[in-house]
Amino acid sequence: GAGVSQSPRYKVAKRGQDVALRCDPISGHVSLFWYQQALGQGPEFLTYFQNEAQLDKSGLPSDRFFAERPEGSVSTLKIQRTQQEDSAVYLCASSLARSGEKLFFGSGTQLSVL
Amino acid sequence: AQSVTQPDIHITVSEGASLELRCNYSYGATPYLFWYVQSPGQGLQLLLKYFSGDTLVQGIKGFEAEFKRSQSSFNLRKPSVHWSDAAEYFCAVGPRNTGFQKLVFGTGTRLLVSP
Repeated sequence: GAGVSQSPRYKVAKRGQDVALRCDPISGHVSLFWYQQALGQGPEFLTYFQNEAQLDKSGLPSDRFFAERPEGSVSTLKIQRTQQEDSAVYLCASSLARSGEKLFFGSGTQLSVL
Repeated sequence: AQSVTQPDIHITVSEGASLELRCNYSYGATPYLFWYVQSPGQGLQLLLKYFSGDTLVQGIKGFEAEFKRSQSSFNLRKPSVHWSDAAEYFCAVGPRNTGFQKLVFGTGTRLLVSP
């Protein structure tokens, strides 16, 4: 595709529900990043993939958060037993290089946990 | 730990006037520096970046930024603002030792453009 695609655009979940957020990076991009953006804040790093390898997951806030990129393309961020503090916009970005030199961001998934 | 400060939450500029958005960082060594713009409903877009060399960096859409090591600053400027520049602007730093894979963003400055 022309850009990074994220789905769904909006997600409303009841507290305790599991959710899965999808990211389709730009074709051929090696690196994929997930960021979390709380209301009124800048994006915060969650995790980073180089191809299918998850090289850094230091930003994942708890073990309820899990990300995968099994074939080195599409990635899924899963949040188990959602809590209200998980409400945020989840941004996916991809990069052609093995670094974050130039990130292309998707429009994000806005998650609201009630 | 590294941090980024954008002291202005909101700025209002008249169309055609000049713009300067402030960014200060705290880090042990000079990191890689970035400015991103986020329009409503859109993803963040890279405006410009600084890695080394000339401290005045040119970007897209007529923006430029100047790195000042002594002030730990990387302020964004534009000589004449257009209504389409209204958006949220984020400064970010990337530690060199991680290959700037883990960017740290400021809290953003929302730019409003008045007619």
